[in-house]
Amino acid sequence: EPEVTQTPSHQVTQMGQEVILRCVPISNHLYFYWYRQILGQKVEFLVSFYNNEISEKSEIFDDQFSVERPDGSNFTLKIRSTKLEDSAMYFCASSGRRGPTDTQYFGPGTRLTVL
Amino acid sequence: KQEVTQIPAALSVPEGENLVLNCSFTDSAIYNLQWFRQDPGKGLTSLLLIQSSQREQTSGRLNASLDKSSGRSTLYIAASQPGDSATYLCAVSGGTDKLIFGTGTRLQVFP
Repeated sequence: EPEVTQTPSHQVTQMGQEVILRCVPISNHLYFYWYRQILGQKVEFLVSFYNNEISEKSEIFDDQFSVERPDGSNFTLKIRSTKLEDSAMYFCASSGRRGPTDTQYFGPGTRLTVL
Repeated sequence: KQEVTQIPAALSVPEGENLVLNCSFTDSAIYNLQWFRQDPGKGLTSLLLIQSSQREQTSGRLNASLDKSSGRSTLYIAASQPGDSATYLCAVSGGTDKLIFGTGTRLQVFP
């Protein structure tokens, strides 16, 4: 069964460093998402991406964050200058369509630890 | 602003019990509601999706109901098994791209 994959599974970085989290969505999907989950808190929406542009973003997704689909298969989240509070589990998701029957399929996540 | 709440926060039951997890949301203008399962350190697995026009969905031992007017959904798990132990999340879609998640119910089923 097709699945969303994410690399790395765990990333440790120093505060102020740039990180890139990578995702490979399900191959025929068109809509892509990033969410994050700080330990012990809710899963929070960050951004959605369709047709090579951001379609929606949350207040969390400020100028330090960017997303890109550099080729036909990868979808990346970049954090330019990491802060301690960016430590969280980051989930990528994809869906084949939008609407009431839309199911978002999630990857296993990347645990980001900022020291 | 949509808020999603789940109760109980944690539940521990013996194997074989039927159980009900609850989800409530403050804005009834939703597109759909999904139930997910999250295993420790893992991603989210979609269990059931209920469209706003539907009242329930079933998959195997799982049954989810939706009462949009009262802002509630329940996930019923029949004949629970130790393998059902996980955190269960509900999430609503309001017609935009984002899913809004509850805090989850951590379920432990012991033999």
